[in-house]
Amino acid sequence: DAKTTQPPSMDCAEGRAANLPCNHSTISGNEYVYWYRQIHSQGPQYIIHGLKNNETNEMASLIITEDRKSSTLILPHATLRDTAVYYCIVTSGTYKYIFGTGTRLKVLA
Amino acid sequence: GAVVSQHPSRVICKSGTSVKIECRSLDFQATTMFWYRQFPKQSLMLMATSNEGSKATYEQGVEKDKFLINHASLTLSTLTVTSAHPEDSSFYICSASDRDEQYFGPGTRLTVT
Repeated sequence: DAKTTQPPSMDCAEGRAANLPCNHSTISGNEYVYWYRQIHSQGPQYIIHGLKNNETNEMASLIITEDRKSSTLILPHATLRDTAVYYCIVTSGTYKYIFGTGTRLKVLA
Repeated sequence: GAVVSQHPSRVICKSGTSVKIECRSLDFQATTMFWYRQFPKQSLMLMATSNEGSKATYEQGVEKDKFLINHASLTLSTLTVTSAHPEDSSFYICSASDRDEQYFGPGTRLTVT
């Protein structure tokens, strides 16, 4: 079973920040939080990952709570092309990924 | 980032035949590759973990004799669906790992008629 829970769907207005939450209350000390997204009928695309510090790259920011039991993926200025299913995965590095149900983000014009 | 390709992207086969799907890491060597299956409107389900030069490790409920996996080199893994049936119709996705993350292929849509 997946070690993460996410809301099934969210809407976001184009140009606004999209904040996608993820709960991973049973995360272990050596497990990372990875975020991927999947646009319809394509393979998942890597977004960002982190261990305990907040991370930022050209696509998104990842905020991990101090107790590491939850995290939030932030897309700072959502565009229509960000419409996708977003998956939060907890894993020990490149160990196997167990996908949960993900959050279906719809960016509205 | 690293690129993973899959071939074919789409395949239609008749019930009872076998079909092979290739997964290649194009610009890095992958000691481990993973195979997933995804049904419409569902999440990715891990089928097996493939390590170069050794037998694949299958997830519970996945028939190893039906889904044959070969990982003969550091850049190629193949999944063969044997004696395919309509219920095997699905989107098959592979991934290849380096030190930090998994890189996913674009997927192969299999339709069994």
